[in-house]
Amino acid sequence: AQTVTQSQPEMSVQEAETVTLSCTYDTSENNYYLFWYKQPPSRQMILVIRQEAYKQQNATENRFSVNFQKAAKSFSLKISDSQLGDTAMYFCAFGSSNTGKLIFGQGTTLQVKP
Amino acid sequence: GAVVSQHPSWVICKSGTSVKIECRSLDFQATTMFWYRQFPKQSLMLMATSNEGSKATYEQGVEKDKFLINHASLTLSTLTVTSAHPEDSSFYICSASEGLNEKLFFGSGTQLSVL
Repeated sequence: AQTVTQSQPEMSVQEAETVTLSCTYDTSENNYYLFWYKQPPSRQMILVIRQEAYKQQNATENRFSVNFQKAAKSFSLKISDSQLGDTAMYFCAFGSSNTGKLIFGQGTTLQVKP
Repeated sequence: GAVVSQHPSWVICKSGTSVKIECRSLDFQATTMFWYRQFPKQSLMLMATSNEGSKATYEQGVEKDKFLINHASLTLSTLTVTSAHPEDSSFYICSASEGLNEKLFFGSGTQLSVL
């Protein structure tokens, strides 16, 4: 069974600074996907970034980038130039290529301070 | 982008009644839909996988007779919470994709409160 662990329940960062959220996972599958989702107070799940496990290059989406270490089963999210609108709960998720299921980590609540 | 519509957004019901939640894919055909449950400030817990035209696959510990899932068409899946009790109060979220390994889109969720 797959597991996803986010060891930082809460984090804070000053506006315009950089913050990194950590995530580790465990799986016996070879082909899979990894995701970071943002859940603001509205509770709508918003995809931040997606990484295919077979790709060595780290995914990047504007201010958001990941550090994917496949051997270490680590998938951290870096948010650069943090904005007040980045305040939300962030979930790391493992996606099985076999079933399409997403398994989520416990979440990290991020607060961006002015 | 693809849109998944979920209704109702919130529902309050009396203990013992049944509640139906709908999840629709508006601009694509969803061969697979997933149902999640989320308690306040906690993670999303996968309840079941819904495949069009076949029986849903439930995760371990989820009562299939309590949470009835129907995926009768490629654009609609429903979750019925039968004989709801206060402990069933939670935030329920659906998600849908066009196929395996395709992008997953989430509904806006349904807050269920059972009195």
